[in-house]
Amino acid sequence: DGGITQSPKYLFRKEGQNVTLSCEQNLNHDAMYWYRQDPGQGLRLIYYSQIVNDFQKGDIAEGYSVSREKKESFPLTVTSAQKNPTAFYLCASSKTGIRDEAFFGQGTRLTVV
Amino acid sequence: GQNIDQPTEMTATEGAIVQINCTYQTSGFNGLFWYQQHAGEAPTFLSYNVLDGLEEKGRFSSFLSRSKGYSYLLLKELQMKDSASYLCAVRRINAGNNRKLIWGLGTSLAVNP
Repeated sequence: DGGITQSPKYLFRKEGQNVTLSCEQNLNHDAMYWYRQDPGQGLRLIYYSQIVNDFQKGDIAEGYSVSREKKESFPLTVTSAQKNPTAFYLCASSKTGIRDEAFFGQGTRLTVV
Repeated sequence: GQNIDQPTEMTATEGAIVQINCTYQTSGFNGLFWYQQHAGEAPTFLSYNVLDGLEEKGRFSSFLSRSKGYSYLLLKELQMKDSASYLCAVRRINAGNNRKLIWGLGTSLAVNP
């Protein structure tokens, strides 16, 4: 079955450590996105990529980095520069046509202690 | 500016009908999406409107009025499993033909027996 997979579902890290969140899709979608969701706030876009080897900063890119070396994969690294990294992270993918609804992964809940 | 407004919380009774409203202000409007999100899970796509009018899909319908910057999601024959957050998202296209989704904060719906 086609889908988008994030791993792990729960992740704990010590303050000051970088951590990489995995996102893989086999939907043959060109576009991929990383969002952050905090209680009481809407989804906020961190980074997005429309094609392989290209990505753009979203609204809250500071302290994060991404790569898009393969169409299927769009990993997100939360660096030690991110001041408040504890959050629920959602990866999504979509086609780039007129009706390009996003399909989401299950999410990764990152807790930094 | 860009803004999306939805009620924070709503309560309804099993078997009833509920309407969740969404108003938006944005330039470059290019479609409106509704997603359902259960607690701790990823959003799932419900509906898409780009032209004025009503789109019906089973128990769920979505309406759009572009001139009024207004949409609603109508849920009929409510079931307990419909208790979730409902997210309204507007897609806009900027001068560079880049698409971006702007998300509302979501409406938390509680369905009571």
